[in-house]
Amino acid sequence: EVQLVESGGGLVQPGRSLRLSCAVSGFTLADFPVHWVRQVPGKGLEWVSSISWNTAAYADSVKGRFTISIDNAKNSLYLEMNSLTTEDTALYFCARGHDSAVTAYFDHWGQGALVTVSS
Amino acid sequence: DIQMTQSPPSLSASVGDRVTITCRSSLYINKWVAWYQQKPGKAPKVLISKASTLESGVPSRFSGSGAGTEFTLTISSLQPDDFATYYCQHYNGSPYTFGQGTKLEIK
Repeated sequence: EVQLVESGGGLVQPGRSLRLSCAVSGFTLADFPVHWVRQVPGKGLEWVSSISWNTAAYADSVKGRFTISIDNAKNSLYLEMNSLTTEDTALYFCARGHDSAVTAYFDHWGQGALVTVSS
Repeated sequence: DIQMTQSPPSLSASVGDRVTITCRSSLYINKWVAWYQQKPGKAPKVLISKASTLESGVPSRFSGSGAGTEFTLTISSLQPDDFATYYCQHYNGSPYTFGQGTKLEIK
């Protein structure tokens, strides 16, 4: 069974950093693209970042501040978030791409980790 | 970047009604569109991929159509479990943009 479980969310001050983790099971990270998607409470979904075959991509809103990475040995996906602002406050989901293609929809999602940026 | 314009933003309907949600992309994206259902406090769940392919386990009252730049999600006969928010998404490469969402409420 495919599972993704996020952790690492919490309250952080503006300008500080936070690292989210996503522990996966039921598949190998090296074989599928994985993504971070965020959602401001009560608002819509925003794709944040993806990594596939060690190639990373980022939304313009986080480029230069966020870094996505994977640790195959630990079956984990990470999102290092620096220079956080109040606009980064959201529920962050990790999600798996359906197959190894660039054109892969998101077929499995975690339950989300809440990040609150506030002084 | 590809923009996905979804309408309507909200929809009030009754059990048994047929409803249609529309999504328009700003560029040609072939059939690389997925539709997701999200309930409060839960992660999105994929219903339709490649514009019209029903995911395993999804009831047949859900259907998708379209290609190019115009896409629709149709629910043929609303059931109580269907009241949720629906999102379209293109997956024709990054950035993987979502539509703004359609909140389907009980009339």
